[in-house]
Formats: sequence, C-alpha cells, structure tokens
Amino acid sequence: EDKVVQSPLSLVVHEGDTVTLNCSYEVTNFRSLLWYKQEKKAPTFLFMLTSSGIEKKSGRLSSILDKKELFSILNITATQTGDSAVYLCAFNDMRFGAGTRLTVKP
Amino acid sequence: DGGITQSPKYLFRKEGQNVTLSCEQNLNHDAMYWYRQDPGQGLRLIYYSQIVNDFQKGDIAEGYSVSREKKESFPLTVTSAQKNPTAFYLCASSRTGTWQYFGPGTRLTVT
Repeated sequence: EDKVVQSPLSLVVHEGDTVTLNCSYEVTNFRSLLWYKQEKKAPTFLFMLTSSGIEKKSGRLSSILDKKELFSILNITATQTGDSAVYLCAFNDMRFGAGTRLTVKP
Repeated sequence: DGGITQSPKYLFRKEGQNVTLSCEQNLNHDAMYWYRQDPGQGLRLIYYSQIVNDFQKGDIAEGYSVSREKKESFPLTVTSAQKNPTAFYLCASSRTGTWQYFGPGTRLTVT
C-alpha cells in the first residue's frame, strides 16, 4: 500500500526564519512528486519533481527529491507571514500526505 | 477566464438524503478528481477519471458515486450509505501527468 508521511505536522516560526518541511514515501511505480500550498481552501501548485537530485527553485522556496532515500524536502528561506499555510506533498498526482501546517509569526 | 468551479460553497443536508456536488472545468483537461479533506488531515482520493465515460475508485469510494458524461463535468453524489459525509470536498483537474488545479471546494454538513 502506498504511504506518504509528512513531518512535522505543524511548525511555528518567526518572520525571517528558514524552515525545512519533509515528505517521505513508499510508493509503487513512482512517477512524480508534487508540492502544494493550501492557504484557505484550494491547494495551489508549487513544484513538480520527477528526477532525483534536481532542485526546483522559485524565489524563496526550493525543493529537492531523493529517489534513493525516498524523500523530498521543501525549503522556505526568509519566511514571511504570507507563507503561513498547510503544505501538502503528493505522489503520482493522487496520493497526498497529511500536510504540514506552517505558522509564521511577525 | 479558465478555471474550475464547484457549487455550492456550503451545503446542508439531513441524514439519509443523497446529495450531488457539482464540478465544472473549462481548462480542457482530460483528468478530473474528487478528494475529501477532514480537519487536520490531507486529501483523500474518492474517485478519479482520466477520460470521458470512464472513472476509477480511489481510496475511499464507498458511499460515493460519480459520472463523467462530458469532459468538462464530473459531479459527485454522496449517498446515504456514506457513514460520515460531513467534510470538505475538493474537485481538481489536470492534463495527464502534470499538476492539478483545484476548485474552491464544497463544505458539506449532514445532520
């Protein structure tokens, strides 16, 4: 059975801090790993990774996939209050983890 | 504007009644999905469809039914057989093998 585990489940930081969110998996027929941000209702797409070791970057956010060790991380540097959200990882576009709730305090 | 819409935003029903949640997209995506999200939890897959007139069960299909008669539309019926139907329901669509675009969701309360 496919399994996706995110950690930590919740995290509280202050503006300017750097955070690392983790996503580990046991999935058959791996095709892709995706990260989404869910602020209020609809998750929005952040990154899609299909190859190991390649870093995807967008502004202060970056993500990397390790297919050998079966995990991915999402890094957010210089956090802002607007980064407060639930961050979800998903495998093969359909298997989601429980999410990490990030709260950034001013 | 291209996008995905769900209606209604909030839905209240009495126990024992079937209810249908609407999902429409004008992104010309082949694949569509239904998820359920409970407080503090991630998204759990109910049904998905990769092509018109075909759909597959997800991890928690019991008590739900879907249809895919048109590419743009993928309605979800929550039947009276669903034991705990109160939840937040999200619909999504995607091009095959790419990321999903989500609708705004429907919050269903059954009392």
